[in-house]
Amino acid sequence: DAGVIQSPRHEVTEMGQEVTLRCKPISGHNSLFWYRQTMMRGLELLIYFNNNVPIDDSGMPEDRFSAKMPNASFSTLKIQPSEPRDSAVYFCASSSEMGGYTFGSGTRLTVV
Amino acid sequence: AQSVTQLDSQVPVFEEAPVELRCNYSSSVSVYLFWYVQYPNQGLQLLLKYLSGSTLVKGINGFEAEFNKSQTSFHLRKPSVHISDTAEYFCAVRDTGFQKLVFGTGTRLLVSP
Repeated sequence: DAGVIQSPRHEVTEMGQEVTLRCKPISGHNSLFWYRQTMMRGLELLIYFNNNVPIDDSGMPEDRFSAKMPNASFSTLKIQPSEPRDSAVYFCASSSEMGGYTFGSGTRLTVV
Repeated sequence: AQSVTQLDSQVPVFEEAPVELRCNYSSSVSVYLFWYVQYPNQGLQLLLKYLSGSTLVKGINGFEAEFNKSQTSFHLRKPSVHISDTAEYFCAVRDTGFQKLVFGTGTRLLVSP
């Protein structure tokens, strides 16, 4: 099992540019989560999907953020336009009905 | 709604000493409880989990935790720590009916020689 796969590992972009983060969950897991981690705010849940359907997006900071899950094996988190305050580590995690999450290694985003 | 409190933001300890990282939660329903560890520049890794059954749960790397329902606590313990245990530790809770996991703010364990 390759685990949860995120790409890219690092992303440096200029303010105003579009950024797309990608996630491949573990096969058979029916829930997928996007988190953001910063020193100031810790781990924040942005959005989660169950069976490819968005269930709770109350953590998405603003309209510049959007997430999709077109099928059970792929999800994207898009920021458009990006701003320096979006700089953070973004984690994707997946889980089955019971138990905890399996996290990916994260994408470190720097917006300059 | 659930919440998790990790009162200690940082715990310094000497190598081979015992350690306890505290976690308290609040919830009005039955819960599942978890501890995760995050090493520098890495994702979160599951240390152990309580779903049901015995209240003493053993995890990886010699860690264990005890679920105390009356005190709504799930403290993490290790009898003898190593330098390599230096990391951030997160306690998390979810209710049994939902997938959403709520994390505490984390405790940084610093093990020195």
